[in-house]
Amino acid sequence: EVQLVESGGGLVQPGGSLRLSCAASGFTFSSYAMSWVRQAPGKGLEWVSAISNSGDNTYYADSVKGRFTISRDNSKNTLYLQMNSLRAEDSAVFYCAKGGCRSTSCFTDYWGQGTLVTVSS
Amino acid sequence: DIQMTQSPSTLSASVGDRVTITCRASQSISSWLAWYQQKPGKAPKLLIYKASTLGSAVPSRFSGSGSGTEFALTISSLQPDDFATYHCQHYDSYSYTFGQGTKLEIK
Repeated sequence: EVQLVESGGGLVQPGGSLRLSCAASGFTFSSYAMSWVRQAPGKGLEWVSAISNSGDNTYYADSVKGRFTISRDNSKNTLYLQMNSLRAEDSAVFYCAKGGCRSTSCFTDYWGQGTLVTVSS
Repeated sequence: DIQMTQSPSTLSASVGDRVTITCRASQSISSWLAWYQQKPGKAPKLLIYKASTLGSAVPSRFSGSGSGTEFALTISSLQPDDFATYHCQHYDSYSYTFGQGTKLEIK
């Protein structure tokens, strides 16, 4: 059974940093691209970032480019999102998402339960 | 950037109804479109990918159609469990844009 368990969310002040983690199990983690998707309270889904299965290729939404960094440790089956220079508009539930195929050009077939990030003073 | 526009934003229907939600892309995206179902406080679930391929364990009352710029998600006979929010998503190497979502409510 595929499981994606996010952690690391919480309350942070504007300008602060946070690192999210996603522990994956139930599939060959190193074979699949992964993504982060967020959802602000009462709003729609927003793709944030994606990373290839090897970690060699990364992609970012314009809204987070230069502030967020996606990475993965295939030896630990873990996906990360380092978030710097956080703004109030970054407040959202962040979901870890597994690609449905090996390419980054892919839909998401499994989602974690999400971790809440609140940026506020 | 490619924009995805869903309609309607809210849809009221009854159990047993046939409903269709549409998703329009601002430029052609071939068939690189997925549909997800999301219930309050829960993560989304994959319904359809590549515009018309049913996801694993998804009931056959769900179907997807379209290509290019116009897509549709149809539920042939609404069940109580289907009342939720539905999201379309274009996926490609550099673009993973979601529509704004359609909330399906009980009439």
